Amino acid sequence: KNEVEQSPQNLTAQEGEFITINCSYSVGISALHWLQQHPGGGIVSLFMLSSGKKKHGRLIATINIQEKHSSLHITASHPRDSAVYICASYSGGSNYKLTFGKGTLLTVNP
Amino acid sequence: GAGVSQSPSNKVTEKGKDVELRCDPISGHTALYWYRQSLGQGLEFLIYFQGNSAPDKSGLPSDRFSAERTGGSVSTLTIQRTQQEDSAVYLCASSLVKGGDTEAFFGQGTRLTVV
Repeated sequence: KNEVEQSPQNLTAQEGEFITINCSYSVGISALHWLQQHPGGGIVSLFMLSSGKKKHGRLIATINIQEKHSSLHITASHPRDSAVYICASYSGGSNYKLTFGKGTLLTVNP
Repeated sequence: GAGVSQSPSNKVTEKGKDVELRCDPISGHTALYWYRQSLGQGLEFLIYFQGNSAPDKSGLPSDRFSAERTGGSVSTLTIQRTQQEDSAVYLCASSLVKGGDTEAFFGQGTRLTVV
């Protein structure tokens, strides 16, 4: 059974700080998703990656397949980045379920 | 439509009543997923549709839960005889093709409160 763990559970930062959120999973995967959930519940897909690194604006996602670990980085953080960040893994095969971490609540203070 | 649309956005119902939650996926997306997020819990997979068929219903928590999809488009999640533990945010997502290695687009969710 695949387990997905995120750390930290809660993170408070000052505007401008560099943020790192970590995600570890227990079995080999085909893809890992990073999602952002704002208050009110709506979810936005930030990244889907299976190897290496992806960058979008101030967001960077990396994955190390051998270590079964992914990180989401936010450079020059801003209060509007405050949200819950969720990682989810897909193990491949005919089972199309994503396995979700419990999320990291990020609060960026001005 | 431009995105995944869910309705209603909020639903308060009395214990024992039936509820229907609706999801309009992005036009052309063949795969549709339902998830549930209970208070303080992570997202939980409920059911997945490829076209109108549901190859994987293993996430449905009980036989009070059912879902259907018609015309390869709109999906309805029905909860019969609601219980308080059904209170959660129900999220729908769609993707262009099947597979967890395909980017999924999420709706805003339906917040269900059973009183």
